Amino acid sequence: NAGVTQTPKFQVLKTGQSMTLQCAQDMNHNSMYWYRQDPGMGLRLIYYSASEGTTDKGEVPNGYNVSRLNKREFSLRLESAAPSQTSVYFCASMNSPTYGYTFGSGTRLTVV
Amino acid sequence: ILNVEQSPQSLHVQEGDSTNFTCSFPSSNFYALHWYRWETAKSPEALFVMTLNGDEKKKGRISATLNTKEGYSYLYIKGSQPEDSATYLCAFYNFNKFYFGSGTKLNVKP
Repeated sequence: NAGVTQTPKFQVLKTGQSMTLQCAQDMNHNSMYWYRQDPGMGLRLIYYSASEGTTDKGEVPNGYNVSRLNKREFSLRLESAAPSQTSVYFCASMNSPTYGYTFGSGTRLTVV
Repeated sequence: ILNVEQSPQSLHVQEGDSTNFTCSFPSSNFYALHWYRWETAKSPEALFVMTLNGDEKKKGRISATLNTKEGYSYLYIKGSQPEDSATYLCAFYNFNKFYFGSGTKLNVKP
């Protein structure tokens, strides 16, 4: 099915370990986004890529890096995981603000 | 960081009740506001995209209105059903990205 694919769905890391969350979309969308969802705080933007070749910080970028590998793929990297990064991470894409986001299914990350 | 506020934070209603909740956002530089429905263990799904002051959108029993001059949008659910139980998010667009409110969690009891 067309849409946004995130991997992995679940991950447990030890403090200090690194990992990359993968996101790919097959809708030819220009813009891609990474959000984290924490209880009572809604969705907070970590990083985004308005178009291929560009990336920008969102509200909570500290501790993360991103790569817009091509138009389809946008990865999120945790270089040295901390317990404060325990969260559910969502990738989203869109072509225009006059259309809604399409979200991936989320990655539940626990850092112990 | 823009402030997008939703109220109430949670709502418990009986099946058949009608309900509404509010999203408040900055009234300057308005471009678009989105409403999403988010069921537990799923991804948010777009409900409405609102771009013009005075917009009214409807999908079945759910409708939304928009006032960009005063910076608010209302979401209405007529005759709530248990399957309407979800978190409803609004998102305000500003400079290439959306800022989300913290959501209104609706629980509809049979």
